[in-house]
Amino acid sequence: DAGVIQSPRHEVTEMGQEVTLRCKPISGHNSLFWYRQTMMRGLELLIYFNNNVPIDDSGMPEDRFSAKMPNASFSTLKIQPSEPRDSAVYFCASSTQGQSNQPQHFGDGTRLSIL
Amino acid sequence: TQLLEQSPQFLSIQEGENLTVYCNSSSVFSSLQWYRQEPGEGPVLLVTVVTGGEVKKLKRLTFQFGDARKDSSLHITAAQPGDTGLYLCAGAPGSNYKLTFGKGTLLTVNP
Repeated sequence: DAGVIQSPRHEVTEMGQEVTLRCKPISGHNSLFWYRQTMMRGLELLIYFNNNVPIDDSGMPEDRFSAKMPNASFSTLKIQPSEPRDSAVYFCASSTQGQSNQPQHFGDGTRLSIL
Repeated sequence: TQLLEQSPQFLSIQEGENLTVYCNSSSVFSSLQWYRQEPGEGPVLLVTVVTGGEVKKLKRLTFQFGDARKDSSLHITAAQPGDTGLYLCAGAPGSNYKLTFGKGTLLTVNP
């Protein structure tokens, strides 16, 4: 079975450029999460979608960050304009239900470096 | 904001040794999950504990949820190089979607 698929795996770009990260959740999962992982702050939830609807975006750092889920099989996280402090590993995860005791299945992440 | 403190932050041991890592909070959690993350990959769920005092075993790994549901421990017996990775605990304050992750314990098991 295919797991959560993220692309690209690595992205290096200059500050000010637009960055788009992509995620395909596991088929049949109705909850999707975007996380950011850094050494300093660990794993932080950025935004949570349930049935393609954004439920909680309180973790989105600022207006430069936006996320969409146009259908059940695709989501994007966009940063415009990007800044060096956005450098991190970004993970997408999906689960079958929006309940905390359900396992979240993570993709392998996108390692983003903003120069 | 509910915080989860994991200790130690780093642990390097020899193959065959036993070890325990800890996950502590001042807050009560309705459930707690442990994940392992290997380099270049996403976290993978190992176990979920939901009842105070609960003990779960997964081969050589033993997980315990504190009686007050504020802390948890992971004990590994006879560690192997394949156990190397970042161990993350994640707590849920309620039954909704939200998980708070600790920063993890980076375990290295040397052959």
